Amino acid sequence: QLLLQESGPGLVKPSETLSLTCTVSDDSITNSSFYWGWIRQPPGKGLEWIGNIYHSGSTYYNPSLKSRVIVSVDTARNQFSLRLRSVTAADTAIYYCVRRVSWAAAGTLFDFWGQGTLVTVSS
Amino acid sequence: DIQMTQSPSSVSASVGDRVTITCRASQDISSWLAWYQHQPGKAPKLLIYSASTLQSGVPSRFSGRGSGTDFTLTISSLQPEDFATYYCQQTKSFPYTFGQGTKLEIK
Repeated sequence: QLLLQESGPGLVKPSETLSLTCTVSDDSITNSSFYWGWIRQPPGKGLEWIGNIYHSGSTYYNPSLKSRVIVSVDTARNQFSLRLRSVTAADTAIYYCVRRVSWAAAGTLFDFWGQGTLVTVSS
Repeated sequence: DIQMTQSPSSVSASVGDRVTITCRASQDISSWLAWYQHQPGKAPKLLIYSASTLQSGVPSRFSGRGSGTDFTLTISSLQPEDFATYYCQQTKSFPYTFGQGTKLEIK
């Protein structure tokens, strides 16, 4: 069974960069069928898709965050990472790493999720 | 962006009850809709895609219906493990957007 595990600091200061890593187990990140990505959920709010990456390094991001986000991949370690710069309190959220699939009759959805990690932006 | 609106935001029910959750899209998304279940402390789980197709391993008491802008998720006979938060997601177009969630609580 595929396992996704987020890791990284739980506290980030305002204006600094949030950095998280997702380790993929029981599947290869180079599997050609999948993209990998990040979704977040601020306290008391809904889910927000952040961005996705393919093992080749091809990325696409939510336009609302695009200017501040970088998602990267490390195929040797079977990991992918999120960097969100210039954070504010509004970036406080649970961050989930996900596997993205696109099926012909189903569109683009997220079939496996990590348990999520809370990142708080505070001085 | 396509806006997704769920109702109600929370609902209380008892084991054995039938519950229906609604999701509305701000524009026609045909059947490009998925539902997820999120139990506290666990990873969210894909339940349904293409509005009505159960993901492998999902119990048959879950069902999805709808097309266009209006969709429903129904649990026919609630089990203790079904008390969770449910989210819809439009799978049609970038950027992918979710409803705000419906929390299903034990009465």
